[in-house]
Amino acid sequence: NAGVTQTPKFQVLKTGQSMTLQCAQDMNHNSMYWYRQDPGMGLRLIYYSASEGTTDKGEVPNGYNVSRLNKREFSLRLESAAPSQTSVYFCASSADRGDTEAFFGQGTRLTVV
Amino acid sequence: QKEVEQDPGPLSVPEGAIVSLNCTYSNSAFQYFMWYRQYSRKGPELLMYTYSSGNKEDGRFTAQVDKSSKYISLFIRDSQPSDSATYLCAMSSSSNTGKLIFGQGTTLQVKP
Repeated sequence: NAGVTQTPKFQVLKTGQSMTLQCAQDMNHNSMYWYRQDPGMGLRLIYYSASEGTTDKGEVPNGYNVSRLNKREFSLRLESAAPSQTSVYFCASSADRGDTEAFFGQGTRLTVV
Repeated sequence: QKEVEQDPGPLSVPEGAIVSLNCTYSNSAFQYFMWYRQYSRKGPELLMYTYSSGNKEDGRFTAQVDKSSKYISLFIRDSQPSDSATYLCAMSSSSNTGKLIFGQGTTLQVKP
C-alpha cells in the first residue's frame, strides 16, 4: 500500500528555473495539500484542494501554482525558483470525514542556488 | 505572533523518563488537536488526535487539551530510544483535518 507518493525526492535548481513537484495518493481521498517545512517554522500550508477541480490558497502561496489533475494527483509548480523556496515540501491527503487523519508523503528536498 | 507556539528544544532525556511536550495557541476557533511524530528525513505521521478539550490515552502516550488556557500537551511514559524524533503539534478549526496549523516542532532524543 503506497499511500502518498512524491517525486522527485531531491532536486537542485538554479534561480529562475521552473519545475513541478508531483504527488499521487492511492487512498481515494478527497482532499490533498502541499506544505513546506523550514527549520524553526514547522510546516506551513501552501495550497490545498478540497476536491477534484478545486484549489485554494493556504498560508504561503506566493511563488507557487497547483493543479489537481484528477482525484489521485496534485502537483505543485514553481515557475521561477528563488533561493527563498529552498525547503522540504510535503504532500498530504485526507478523507475529510470527521476525525480522519492526514497522511503525508516522504517529502521532496529542494535546493535553489 | 505565531498562532501556535512550541518550544523547539532540543530535549534530551534518559531512557525510561516521562516526557512532557507542550504547545500554546491563540486562535480560540481551534477544535481539533493533533500530535504528529516525524523521524529524520521522513514525513510526519499522526500519533494522537483529540477533539475539543479533555484527555486521550494510547499506550505510553497521553494527549491533553485545555481550551480554557489554550494549551495542549503530549506525555510519553517510559520513553524509549525509538521515541527519538521531532514531535509536531497541529491544530484545525474544521473537520477538514489536513488543513492544519503546525507548531515549530520539538526535537526529542531518548538516550539508552
